[in-house]
Amino acid sequence: GPKVLQIPSHQIIDMGQMVTLNCDPVSNHLYFYWYKQILGQQMEFLVNFYNGKVMEKSKLFKDQFSVERPDGSYFTLKIQPTALEDSAVYFCASSHLRWGPNTGQLYFGEGSKLTVL
Amino acid sequence: GEQVEQRPPHLSVREGDSAVITCTYTDPNSYYFFWYKQEPGASLQLLMKVFSSTEINEGQGFTVLLNKKDKRLSLNLTAAHPGDSAAYFCAVSATEGADRLTFGKGTQLIIQP
Repeated sequence: GPKVLQIPSHQIIDMGQMVTLNCDPVSNHLYFYWYKQILGQQMEFLVNFYNGKVMEKSKLFKDQFSVERPDGSYFTLKIQPTALEDSAVYFCASSHLRWGPNTGQLYFGEGSKLTVL
Repeated sequence: GEQVEQRPPHLSVREGDSAVITCTYTDPNSYYFFWYKQEPGASLQLLMKVFSSTEINEGQGFTVLLNKKDKRLSLNLTAAHPGDSAAYFCAVSATEGADRLTFGKGTQLIIQP
């Protein structure tokens, strides 16, 4: 079935550095999402994105976070600068239509594990 | 905001037995409910989505029950087999068409032969 690919699967960086997590969504999908999961905790919504703009973001989406999808390429989550509390697994998801009960499935990637030292 | 509590965090059952995972939520306006399965090294796969008007939903080898009065959602695997070993997550959406899911912490299910 359709797959959302995330690159890298694991990245280790020093606190204060910049990191970019890449998501290759399903090809005809228009809505994109990032979720964050700290080890042992539940997955939490960060942001959703459509037509080049952030539609909604949570309080976890700090000023150091940014998202973009330049020219239909990867949907990216950039953290600059990183902090220790940013260590987590970040999941990307995409959907063809704004996700709801009758608009099909939200497809998740396998996650990018970020370790900030 | 919405809070979702999922229990148990770990569950081990014998092959052929049933397994029950339960989530409780706090927002009475919650409208859509979901169960996801995540096998090791794989992405989340949607098992079932439940609307507030539907109380019992049956899938292949499992049943989802929604009790709006108690704000409780459960996943019941009726006859577990080794392929059911995975992490299971419930998720809740408060408004129609909402993109924002609130997840439970997950249940690690192990099926013993």
